[in-house]
Amino acid sequence: NAGVTQTPKFRILKIGQSMTLQCTQDMNHNYMYWYRQDPGMGLKLIYYSVGAGITDKGEVPNGYNVSRSTTEDFPLRLELAAPSQTSVYFCASSPSDRPPNYGYTFGSGTRLTVV
Amino acid sequence: AQKVTQAQTEISVVEKEDVTLDCVYETRDTTYYLFWYKQPPSGELVFLIRRNSFDEQNEISGRYSWNFQKSTSSFNFTITASQVVDSAVYFCAQLLTGANSKLTFGKGITLSVRP
Repeated sequence: NAGVTQTPKFRILKIGQSMTLQCTQDMNHNYMYWYRQDPGMGLKLIYYSVGAGITDKGEVPNGYNVSRSTTEDFPLRLELAAPSQTSVYFCASSPSDRPPNYGYTFGSGTRLTVV
Repeated sequence: AQKVTQAQTEISVVEKEDVTLDCVYETRDTTYYLFWYKQPPSGELVFLIRRNSFDEQNEISGRYSWNFQKSTSSFNFTITASQVVDSAVYFCAQLLTGANSKLTFGKGITLSVRP
């Protein structure tokens, strides 16, 4: 069982470049989430989706875009990378708004550095 | 609104000491879920426990125990006889129910266990 797969695991971007962080899940989960983790700040929600074609902003959406064309995929797009976007990004999924006992299924994270 | 506060930022103990990690949550909802996650140095998020708002029973799992008290809105986590492998960042998180429910994390506590 692959669960939630994030690619790439590491990436260095130059200021102003763009990139897409990929997230795929094979559990047929309707709900998917993108979080960023900064040192000492916990995880903050960037965007989430409750199903294909439906996305909504989380707490820190500025500088990011998402799409959800299929149930499996939830890519996160950075259009003009800025140093403030240096962070570890986690994708997560859940079958519904009431997740199983273990909570969300998290990917292994993408460590992004913008220089 | 929901908020999770982990007032402790860093804790350092010597192996075999007991340590308690504090978590205080805020919500007006009557139904909610509380979680603890562990993030070891390798970076992945490891689920530890989930508690429902209607179940105030404390729980013990090996060296881990959790004390859930609705009267003080706290969900504290105690590690008995700590070990070096317990060194990690520990996150408390809260999930409300409903179509737009999202897992909200505290800022995390960095636990260092010295041999």
